[in-house]
Amino acid sequence: EVQLLDSGGGLVQPGGSLRLSCAASGFTFSNYAMSWVRQAPGKGLEWISTIDSSGGTIYYADSVKGRFNISRDNSKNTLSLHMNSLRAEDTAVYYCAKARGYGYYFDYWGQGTLVTVSS
Amino acid sequence: EIVLTQSPGTLSLSPGERATLSCRASQSVSSNYLAWYQQKPGQAPRLLIYGASSRATGIPDRFSGSGSGTDFTLTISRLEPEDLAVYYCQQYGSSPRTFGQGTKVEIK
Repeated sequence: EVQLLDSGGGLVQPGGSLRLSCAASGFTFSNYAMSWVRQAPGKGLEWISTIDSSGGTIYYADSVKGRFNISRDNSKNTLSLHMNSLRAEDTAVYYCAKARGYGYYFDYWGQGTLVTVSS
Repeated sequence: EIVLTQSPGTLSLSPGERATLSCRASQSVSSNYLAWYQQKPGQAPRLLIYGASSRATGIPDRFSGSGSGTDFTLTISRLEPEDLAVYYCQQYGSSPRTFGQGTKVEIK
């Protein structure tokens, strides 16, 4: 059974940093691209980043480019998102998701971790 | 960036009725790379449909997807109470991947 366990969320001040993690199990992690998708309170879904299976190709949404860094450790089946220069508008539930297909749709999702940016 | 517009915003139907949800793209979606997700209250999204019409693993056959180009449809043939959720479409044919704003399905 595929499982994705998101962690690392919390309250952080504007301009601060936070690191999210996603522990994967139930599939061969090193064979699949992985992504982060976020959802602001009461709002819709926003794709923010994807990393390919080897970690060699990375994509970011313009809204986080230059501030967020996605990475993976295939030896530990772990996906990470390092978030810097956080803003109030980054407040959201962050989901890790297993990516499939040529352009990447998301066939399994973590339970999400809440990030609140506030002073 | 491809903008996806979903309609209606809210759909209120009785159990057993047919639900038709629309997703319209601002430009043609490459190779019909269009997915649908269901998000129940307090839960993570779940993949229903990919490639516009292929059902994901374990999804009941009362969920079906159709369409091509700029117009796509998710149909729930016979609504059940557990279908209460927000449904999102997503295009993955061009970068950035984008989602629609969602259609909320209410059960009368």
